[in-house]
Amino acid sequence: DAKTTQPNSMESNEEEPVHLPCNHSTISGTDYIHWYRQLPSQGPEYVIHGLTSNVNNRMASLAIAEDRKSSTLILHRATLRDAAVYYCILRSVMEYGNKLVFGAGTILRVKS
Amino acid sequence: DAGVTQSPTHLIKTRGQQVTLRCSPKSGHDTVSWYQQALGQGPQFIFQYYEEEERQRGNFPDRFSGHQFPNYSSELNVNALLLGDSALYLCASSLGRRQGAGNQPQHFGDGTRLSIL
Repeated sequence: DAKTTQPNSMESNEEEPVHLPCNHSTISGTDYIHWYRQLPSQGPEYVIHGLTSNVNNRMASLAIAEDRKSSTLILHRATLRDAAVYYCILRSVMEYGNKLVFGAGTILRVKS
Repeated sequence: DAGVTQSPTHLIKTRGQQVTLRCSPKSGHDTVSWYQQALGQGPQFIFQYYEEEERQRGNFPDRFSGHQFPNYSSELNVNALLLGDSALYLCASSLGRRQGAGNQPQHFGDGTRLSIL
């Protein structure tokens, strides 16, 4: 399974944008970039995923570097509810099944 | 539309005992995966069930076993419990097990917190 590298923790102010980075220098052409987050005392929650182009949904935006070796999850206006552990995960479209390989993730703290 | 439900929410056992955890997948989903999450770490994949058979397995000993029922619900069984089995056990469901299924989001329950004394 391809590996990702994320900062251990980040801090943000409420109502400000947050950019969560992820490095994946060994990504292959068939790997999608997925983001999940885990709020305290809850199971992980799907946030967004993409292959090459930037993606937007109601929760966040995903910006993917042109060489695909890094990506950034963007929360446009952080709220206290966004405080969570954010996981960046690579998933190959060629694989059967869909197990997720989690790293340690980034702990996001949001200050009011 | 109910999401993934797990029971019980908390459980306390002693070393050497056996435990069974239960999971009902999200409506319409037919594939169930189980994960173990130790404190302060990311979830680790245990195994995945599809069509009532174990299809994929992570690096866990045979003490960990499972079952999937015709209604797609699933059980995780752990025998001869060790102190190191204390963790949050998460169930995730998704639809189908085919090439390309990896792009489907997995839906997680809130887990069962297992404590071994």
